[in-house]
Amino acid sequence: DAKTTQPPSMVCAEGRAANLPCNHSTISGNEYVYWYRQIHSQGPQYIIHGLKNNETNEMASLIITEDRKSSTLILPHATLRDTAVYYCIVRVSYGNKLVFGAGTILRVKS
Amino acid sequence: DGGITQSPKYLFRKEGQNVTLSCEQNLNHDAMYWYRQDPGQGLRLIYYSQIVNDFQKGDIAEGYSVSREKKESFPLTVTSAQKNPTAFYLCASSIRPQPQHFGDGTRLSIL
Repeated sequence: DAKTTQPPSMVCAEGRAANLPCNHSTISGNEYVYWYRQIHSQGPQYIIHGLKNNETNEMASLIITEDRKSSTLILPHATLRDTAVYYCIVRVSYGNKLVFGAGTILRVKS
Repeated sequence: DGGITQSPKYLFRKEGQNVTLSCEQNLNHDAMYWYRQDPGQGLRLIYYSQIVNDFQKGDIAEGYSVSREKKESFPLTVTSAQKNPTAFYLCASSIRPQPQHFGDGTRLSIL
């Protein structure tokens, strides 16, 4: 699975969009980009995933660059409950494991 | 409601004891996984099982054992051979082609 690079921490104002970047320059053609988040002392929560097209669901949007070497997770209207560690993971569609790095700590402030 | 249930939420072990962590799912998922998380770090895979009566070692299987006698259940035993068992343990399950979904974890501490 390709390696990902994320900033260690970010701050976002409540009600504003939170844009979380992820670099995955060694991604292969059959690898998807997955995003999970983990609120303190809970299990990771699946957010969204995509291959090459932009994706949107009720939680977030995922923007993948045309060369697929980076992506951005967008939380359109961040709330205090969105404060969590966000993990960007790259893997084949049904890999045997998820390789979690250190992720990005997102703090949403009022 | 469908989901993954891990129990207990907190577990204490004396040195030299084996302990078993429970993971049950009612999602009818084929695959189940056990991960370990240490403070400030990401998750590392211990064991996984793609079908009943079959399982494979992950990256850090030493000192752990599992069984998969039923589709719904994937218990993890932390044996006395695991020298540093204090951690947050997470169970996950999935069914092709959906992503993995996680339980809320068991926090294991050594007395």
